[in-house]
Amino acid sequence: AQSVTQLGSHVSVSEGALVLLRCNYSSSVPPYLFWYVQYPNQGLQLLLKYTSAATLVKGINGFEAEFKKSETSFHLTKPSAHMSDAAEYFCAVSANTGNQFYFGTGTSLTVIP
Amino acid sequence: DAGITQSPRHKVTETGTPVTLRCHQTENHRYMYWYRQDPGHGLRLIHYSYGVKDTDKGEVSDGYSVSRSKTEDFLLTLESATSSQTSVYFCAISEFKETQYFGPGTRLLVL
Repeated sequence: AQSVTQLGSHVSVSEGALVLLRCNYSSSVPPYLFWYVQYPNQGLQLLLKYTSAATLVKGINGFEAEFKKSETSFHLTKPSAHMSDAAEYFCAVSANTGNQFYFGTGTSLTVIP
Repeated sequence: DAGITQSPRHKVTETGTPVTLRCHQTENHRYMYWYRQDPGHGLRLIHYSYGVKDTDKGEVSDGYSVSRSKTEDFLLTLESATSSQTSVYFCAISEFKETQYFGPGTRLLVL
């Protein structure tokens, strides 16, 4: 079965600092990978997705993620954090068979003024 | 935003009562999903549907049933609610292997 590990359930950064949220997946073949963001009391919104095209994927709000097969990683980055980036972030992988998604347990990002 | 609505948005119920949550989509997507979100667990799949009358279990399906009689509606039923089913429930839709789009969620409190 697929699985996703997000290292760090809570991450704090200063406004303007680099944001790095870590995601590792387990899969025998390159999967589809996703990052979602959840603001308080809202549903999940897609930030970006990797579907075996370019390994560096750009998403909304200045976020990007790099697929590294050798490390089975798909870390999310943003060069300069904004206060509005404070939210919960989820990494997800799609199953190799069928259409199920597997979500990580989430990382809560706090941005310090 | 994808056209997904969930009803009710908030519900308080008592242990042992039946509860039905509704997900409605206007996107004509084939796949629909029900997840629950709990602190420390992320999102866990309860049931999903791959077409009208076609459903399958997810990782936390015990105590839940689903039905899909129309493409646009996917119902989640708690036959006899328990306090452990207090959670936030999200519906999602997608096409095959494509992005899942999420509804706004339903907060359920079982007393």
